[in-house]
Amino acid sequence: QPVLTQSSSASASLGSSVKLTCTLSSGHSSYIIAWHQQQPGKAPRYLMKLEGSGNYNRGSGVPDRFSGSSSGADRYLTISNLQSEDEADYYCETWDSNFWVFGGGTKLTVL
Amino acid sequence: EVQLVESGGGLVQPGGSLRLSCAASGFTFSSYAMSWVRQAPGKGLEWVSGISNSDDSTYYADSVKGRFTISRDNSKNTLYLQMNSLRAEDTAVYYCAKVGGYEIDYWGQGTLVTVSS
Repeated sequence: QPVLTQSSSASASLGSSVKLTCTLSSGHSSYIIAWHQQQPGKAPRYLMKLEGSGNYNRGSGVPDRFSGSSSGADRYLTISNLQSEDEADYYCETWDSNFWVFGGGTKLTVL
Repeated sequence: EVQLVESGGGLVQPGGSLRLSCAASGFTFSSYAMSWVRQAPGKGLEWVSGISNSDDSTYYADSVKGRFTISRDNSKNTLYLQMNSLRAEDTAVYYCAKVGGYEIDYWGQGTLVTVSS
């Protein structure tokens, strides 16, 4: 069963870029993941699907400031030109044959 | 536009039951698997249950297996979650979610379930 590990918090300045990491457990480094954003008090929102090759597909309406990349078991979400509304919790998600699993989430603070 | 609207949440006593519904629109409901995901107060996301597009396969997290039942009515574009033997630790916002290829690609707004005496 895959496990997803995320840092609990991150911070970056308005207008800068930040790279969030989601690490797949041993034996699951080829898995595809998805990234989701949850702004305070709101439902989660799908951002993108990200493959081990680094190919990614953003969801409908997701700004191109959000991009994905991969290296080994690590899956990255990069947010460029940070805006105040990017302050949120970010979760990675993956799935196996009969279940889904989420990472613990990273709380992003925009300074 | 994809819309997922949950209903049925509320306050229930420990040991009680509740049925959640999720009305779907804006896509061909019968073509997609669906899931329920919950979020306890101040905590992260936890997958609860999933169902295939044709209703012939259902999946559960160990924490709810034997107590919760997921189902769907493709003629009504509606997803359900029957929750029995509820415990205090089941208190959470429950989200209905559409499954794209394999990943969740749309979320509902959520419905709050509070288990308390």
